[in-house]
Amino acid sequence: AQSVTQLDSQVPVFEEAPVELRCNYSSSVSVYLFWYVQYPNQGLQLLLKYLSGSTLVESINGFEAEFNKSQTSFHLRKPSVHISDTAEYFCAVSDNAGNMLTFGGGTRLMVKP
Amino acid sequence: DSGVTQTPKHLITATGQRVTLRCSPRSGDLSVYWYQQSLDQGLQFLIQYYNGEERAKGNILERFSAQQFPDLHSELNLSSLELGDSALYFCASSVESRGEQFFGPGTRLTVL
Repeated sequence: AQSVTQLDSQVPVFEEAPVELRCNYSSSVSVYLFWYVQYPNQGLQLLLKYLSGSTLVESINGFEAEFNKSQTSFHLRKPSVHISDTAEYFCAVSDNAGNMLTFGGGTRLMVKP
Repeated sequence: DSGVTQTPKHLITATGQRVTLRCSPRSGDLSVYWYQQSLDQGLQFLIQYYNGEERAKGNILERFSAQQFPDLHSELNLSSLELGDSALYFCASSVESRGEQFFGPGTRLTVL
């Protein structure tokens, strides 16, 4: 069984500041890792994923995450946030059979002007 | 737009009733997943179908059931509804039974 812990339920930050959303996972098998974003009253959108290969993965809107196997972490970072990044962010893990996603509790990113 | 559609968008019903939620996966996707999002439980996996067959089961109550039809759309049936079943129900799809999943906009169920 897997589990995901998102250490911060809310992260307030000023616009143009850097941000890090933390995610730790627990699993006895190899995993795939994902970050999803949920804007108010909308569904989940895939932000980025780690399946294999390079441990640093990037999204098209400036976010990046690094898979750290020794620390079982997959923290999400952005060097400069915008108001439009205000949303809830979910870290998720699946085993490499990919049958289901196990989600963390979510982190609400609040970008202030 | 993920390409996954869900109907209805909102559903309000009473305790004890039965409802059906519908999901159409992205074109070409064989795998459909159902998730429940509630304030107290967060996002939880319910069940997965792959090409018409049940592939994996999560924390799905016995009052809930699902199926995937030959045209690959899926339905989630919730019966003997209780107040605690009020939640957002998401459907997701993927090409195979692995890799990234694409989520629909969800159905918000309110049980009064």
